[in-house]
Amino acid sequence: GQNIDQPTEMTATEGAIVQINCTYQTSGFNGLFWYQQHAGEAPTFLSYNVLDGLEEKGRFSSFLSRSKGYSYLLLKELQMKDSASYLCAVKGNYGQNFVFGPGTRLSVLP
Amino acid sequence: DTEVTQTPKHLVMGMTNKKSLKCEQHMGHRAMYWYKQKAKKPPELMFVYSYEKLSINESVPSRFSPECPNSSLLNLHLHALQPEDSALYLCASSQDLSDYQETQYFGPGTRLLVL
Repeated sequence: GQNIDQPTEMTATEGAIVQINCTYQTSGFNGLFWYQQHAGEAPTFLSYNVLDGLEEKGRFSSFLSRSKGYSYLLLKELQMKDSASYLCAVKGNYGQNFVFGPGTRLSVLP
Repeated sequence: DTEVTQTPKHLVMGMTNKKSLKCEQHMGHRAMYWYKQKAKKPPELMFVYSYEKLSINESVPSRFSPECPNSSLLNLHLHALQPEDSALYLCASSQDLSDYQETQYFGPGTRLLVL
């Protein structure tokens, strides 16, 4: 089976740094994705990790530890437009679709 | 171009109606997906097509009927839906179902209300 967990909600201040965690237990592992979804809109791809370590893309970074079944998304220099849901999704066995976690609703306050 | 388009944007239908949702991509992707998303929940996979063949059906009721006329188009035919089927229906595509890094690109969705 597959079990993916994220905090339900987080709040942070504009200009700050926030870390959104994702833990997973899956049968097989072929990568972890982070998506951003604004209310009423489609999810948009942010990052992909398959090897341990940190991937950096501008203000966003994503980290993976396969041995711990753990990932985080780090958002720096928060902006109001970063208020959204952040979904981690894990691809399990080869050829199967990935499964989304419950998502974390981030609110950025002025 | 990483665009997936969906029509209509909004749909209201009665429980006896028949309607169809449409999805189109021109990225040359060979895998296409239908998801259902309820408010404040993550997307739930419904169907996956790979090379125009149904690859995954996540035990979806038969009142939802997918169709892939060609590699760029994906339809979802709706018939005799229930009010609990009201949700945002998302279409997505990816290069290939078997790709190691299988980034899925999502369309804007169709917001469906069943009365």
